[in-house]
Amino acid sequence: QVQLYESGPGLVKPSETLSLTCAFSAGSISTYYWTWIRQSPTKGLEWIGYMYYSGSPNYNPSLKSRVTMSVDTSKKQFSLNLTAVTAADTAVYFCATVNPGFGESADYWGQGILVTVTS
Amino acid sequence: DIQMTQSPSSLSASVGDRVSITCRASHNINRYLNWYQQRPGKAPKLLIYAASNLQQGVPSRFSGTGSGTDFTLTITGLQPEDFATYHCQQSSSTPHTFGQGTKVEIK
Repeated sequence: QVQLYESGPGLVKPSETLSLTCAFSAGSISTYYWTWIRQSPTKGLEWIGYMYYSGSPNYNPSLKSRVTMSVDTSKKQFSLNLTAVTAADTAVYFCATVNPGFGESADYWGQGILVTVTS
Repeated sequence: DIQMTQSPSSLSASVGDRVSITCRASHNINRYLNWYQQRPGKAPKLLIYAASNLQQGVPSRFSGTGSGTDFTLTITGLQPEDFATYHCQQSSSTPHTFGQGTKVEIK
């Protein structure tokens, strides 16, 4: 069974870059798409984007100018960078696998990491 | 973006009840509709994918129906562990948007 674990700073200053990493165990990185989803009390669950390990990422247009996702196959890690953060980016960030054979549902999730944007 | 609207936003029910939650899409999403359960402080858990397919390990009291724009999640015989928040998500087109969630509380 795939296990995912997010890591990164829990506090980020406004205008700086939020950087998170998702490590996974078990399975092949080529089986899934990889996605980041965030959750805040104001916006609920928000899809940030997804990518296949060998393809171009697909980002939410509302965040596209600030988001970068990447996959490191050798380290078995999936990363998220979000630039120029504001308080509106405060949320719990989840990484998850997306199974194209299951209607592109998110079938395995990390436990989530709370990121607070504050000076 | 496709807008997803869930109703109700919350409901109270008793153990053993039959509960239904609806999700409406602003555009036709065929059967690209997923349901998740989320307990407080935990990540969402996939229950149903592609409108009606039960994820492995999910109890059969959960079921999903619908296609096009209207979908329903039904829990038949509510159990204590089912008190949680339920989210729908469309995966027909990006961005894969979510409903606002339905909180199922104990009556």
